[in-house]
Amino acid sequence: GESVGLHLPTLSVQEGDNSIINCAYSNSASDYFIWYKQESGKGPQFIIDIRSNMDKRQGQRVTVLLNKTVKHLSLQIAATQPGDSAVYFCAEKKGQAGTALIFGKGTTLSVSS
Amino acid sequence: NAGVTQTPKFRVLKTGQSMTLLCAQDMNHEYMYWYRQDPGMGLRLIHYSVGEGTTAKGEVPDGYNVSRLKKQNFLLGLESAAPSQTSVYFCASSPGGGTEAFFGQGTRLTVV
Repeated sequence: GESVGLHLPTLSVQEGDNSIINCAYSNSASDYFIWYKQESGKGPQFIIDIRSNMDKRQGQRVTVLLNKTVKHLSLQIAATQPGDSAVYFCAEKKGQAGTALIFGKGTTLSVSS
Repeated sequence: NAGVTQTPKFRVLKTGQSMTLLCAQDMNHEYMYWYRQDPGMGLRLIHYSVGEGTTAKGEVPDGYNVSRLKKQNFLLGLESAAPSQTSVYFCASSPGGGTEAFFGQGTRLTVV
């Protein structure tokens, strides 16, 4: 069965606000948790990943937080822009060779000006 | 740099027909994946390959077959298409077993 999922299917924010997209996972054996962004009509694109032994990782305007106690993953986008409007997926992967990326269902982020 | 290219981009099939979707990557990646995307279901893994000549089942493999005869190509076959296979299919590749996969533009398949 599915081991990653998202709390909300849609999220609407105003331009300039901070966005928080959440994901709950059930597979504690995963070694990596990853966020992907999919713009309309395109394939998903890698944003950032975090290893299971970390709590926080920052990228450009994005921060991923991992709470292993409650099996929760979040993606924070600072100063959200209209170009951030997309579907966001969390995914997981075990570290050993031969394993694949498994995706959750996605959250649609809509940014209004 | 083409990246990951999927052929065709659109296709309409009648129930029972067969077809092959082609995925080609020019990045010399070891891993290749086939996913299907349905509304409200996210991306579900069909089959994947960790190297030339190898294939493995994913979450939803029934009704599909795959082949990886050449490192750069990963073929997805539907032997007898069913309306339940109407979906958008995405191919992806990654170097080794890393977390960053590169996706193609997708193939929209409709089975009537």
